Amino acid sequence: GAGVSQTPSNKVTEKGKYVELRCDPISGHTALYWYRQSLGQGPEFLIYFQGTGAADDSGLPNDRFFAVRPEGSVSTLKIQRTERGDSAVYLCASSMGLTDTQYFGPGTRLTVL
Amino acid sequence: AQSVTQPDIHITVSEGASLELRCNYSYGATPYLFWYVQSPGQGLQLLLKYFSGDTLVQGIKGFEAEFKRSQSSFNLRKPSVHWSDAAEYFCAVDNTGFQKLVFGTGTRLLVSP
Repeated sequence: GAGVSQTPSNKVTEKGKYVELRCDPISGHTALYWYRQSLGQGPEFLIYFQGTGAADDSGLPNDRFFAVRPEGSVSTLKIQRTERGDSAVYLCASSMGLTDTQYFGPGTRLTVL
Repeated sequence: AQSVTQPDIHITVSEGASLELRCNYSYGATPYLFWYVQSPGQGLQLLLKYFSGDTLVQGIKGFEAEFKRSQSSFNLRKPSVHWSDAAEYFCAVDNTGFQKLVFGTGTRLLVSP
């Protein structure tokens, strides 16, 4: 079956602009995670959804970052007033349950000029 | 502070030789432990995980890892490396129970002919 998909694969924007990054999890997966991977680093946890609700958003760096999952499937990560330091690869993962394998998408590479 | 350390940034191994990638963690209790592989243009893929029980864990692609509580380590091994194993390898831990993963900085494996 299809894996986790993320769109766009690449996004270039200017400082101060608003961006949305989309994640389509594997069908039937109730848990969805967002991570951010900066160059030369491992992924860093941002937020985790169980169903429609954000169960843990402690990794969001500040209030410019927000994520939603209104119907318990697709999720959108929203970044307001982008800054150059937001440039990174944003990874999405999904799993059937809390202890099941996380399947990662290919990521969205965000570049803020 | 809780952390995951992968002391080797790069490792070069000859094809057919054995491999060991090091991972140490700093947590109060034994966390759940994972190894992921990231190949260029592909998403992170789970190689293996340790939750409890037998401290020697078998994974996919011929990899195994051994949990050593006394050393707070979870080293990844493979007896004979293939050129296709060249990739970035990440150790990750979770002490929440819902796979809020904390990743190390990764080890890039190069395989020489």
